[in-house]
Amino acid sequence: GQNIDQPTEMTATEGAIVQINCTYQTSGFNGLFWYQQHAGEAPTFLSYNVLDGLEEKGRFSSFLSRSKGYSYLLLKELQMKDSASYLCAVMNSNYQLIWGAGTKLIIKP
Amino acid sequence: SQTIHQWPATLVQPVGSPLSLECTVEGTSNPNLYWYRQAAGRGLQLLFYSVGIGQISSEVPQNLSASRPQDRQFILSSKKLLLSDSGFYLCATAPLTGDNSPLHFGNGTRLTVT
Repeated sequence: GQNIDQPTEMTATEGAIVQINCTYQTSGFNGLFWYQQHAGEAPTFLSYNVLDGLEEKGRFSSFLSRSKGYSYLLLKELQMKDSASYLCAVMNSNYQLIWGAGTKLIIKP
Repeated sequence: SQTIHQWPATLVQPVGSPLSLECTVEGTSNPNLYWYRQAAGRGLQLLFYSVGIGQISSEVPQNLSASRPQDRQFILSSKKLLLSDSGFYLCATAPLTGDNSPLHFGNGTRLTVT
């Protein structure tokens, strides 16, 4: 089967750095997406990786290793507004999106 | 840029009642349209997707149905709701099939079946 694994919940401190991991097993690979979802709201797109390596966007970075079936989202200089769920999704060879259950990130002052 | 309108924002319906959720898209033509459901603490579950008017693909057999009467309109329906239909329903769009552009989501409808 196809599955995406990510931790259910993480806690971090305001101003710190946190890394949210995602491992996947899918039928082929056409890219990996990270979305942010605040409580009660729709997901919003954060980043896309299709080649190995690190993609940086301001305070957020996303890393991909296709050989390991692994990605992480790195959040720096954490702010209270970063408290949200972070969803990892992989597009397989049929261009179907396989979604993880999300990681709830709690930021403490 | 594209905008997705989804309504209502919240809905409380009794078991056995019908359902109709509407989604309309602006700022794009011939989009791929999707209905997702998100249960509490669960990942997004794809219910239906459509690549054009009248073209609907169902991912999960259930008591829900979808229709696309116009290019930018996507409707999710049920004749008789079940308790298990409760969840957060999200309409989404992407520009092309076979393209890896990110999905854009509407604001969602939180459905509670009582």
